[in-house]
Amino acid sequence: GQQLNQSPQSMFIQEGEDVSMNCTSSSIFNTWLWYKQDPGEGPVLLIALYKAGELTSNGRLTAQFGITRKDSFLNISASIPSDVGIYFCAGLAGSQGNLIFGKGTKLSVKP
Amino acid sequence: EAQVTQNPRYLITVTGKKLTVTCSQNMNHEYMSWYRQDPGLGLRQIYYSMNVEVTDKGDVPEGYKVSRKEKRNFPLILESPSPNQTSLYFCASSLSRAVRQYFGPGTRLTVT
Repeated sequence: GQQLNQSPQSMFIQEGEDVSMNCTSSSIFNTWLWYKQDPGEGPVLLIALYKAGELTSNGRLTAQFGITRKDSFLNISASIPSDVGIYFCAGLAGSQGNLIFGKGTKLSVKP
Repeated sequence: EAQVTQNPRYLITVTGKKLTVTCSQNMNHEYMSWYRQDPGLGLRQIYYSMNVEVTDKGDVPEGYKVSRKEKRNFPLILESPSPNQTSLYFCASSLSRAVRQYFGPGTRLTVT
C-alpha cells in the first residue's frame, strides 16, 4: 500500500530555534495535511494543502505542497515550549476517504 | 460544544470476547473514520464512512467491523479480539471526505 516517509523521527531543539520536518512518498497525493498530537489527546489539524506548489501559513507554522505532489514540508519558526508534541503528515489520494499518515516527528523543546 | 466522543476510554478484555467501541459526533458530519495508533507506526486507518450506510476499508481492516446506520454514530466492532489488536483507537469525523477531521479523545484497548 501507499506509505509516507516522515523525517526526522525526533528532534531536540532549544526554545527560539526554527524547526523543519518533511514527508515524502513514492505515490502522488491530491491533498497534504499536517497534524499535531499532544500527549493523551487526539491529533489536531494544523494546515491543509490542496494544490501542488501551495505554500500556506498558520501563525508560526508554514507548510508547502511539493511540486511533484509526492512530498510536503512543515516549518515552525521561533519554537516555544508549547510546540512540544508529535507532528504527523498525512496524504489523501484518489478516494477522498482513505487517509495515509506518516509515522510522526516527535518534537522536544528545551526552555 | 462540538465534539467527537468515544466510549469506553479504557478497556481491558480477554481474547475472543466480542466488544464494541462507540463513536458519536454532534456536528452533523457526513464523513467518519476509525484509526489505530501503535508506537513507531503512526496512525493507520481501519475503516471509513463517507455517509450513512456507506463504509469502506482503510489500510488495516482485518479483524474489525463497522456500521453506519445513523449519521452521528459509527461504532467499531471487534467480533473476536486478539492480543495484536491491543492499541490506541481514534474515531474522527469531518464535514465531507477525509480533510479537516476532528478526532475523538481515544480509546486504549488491551486484549490479554
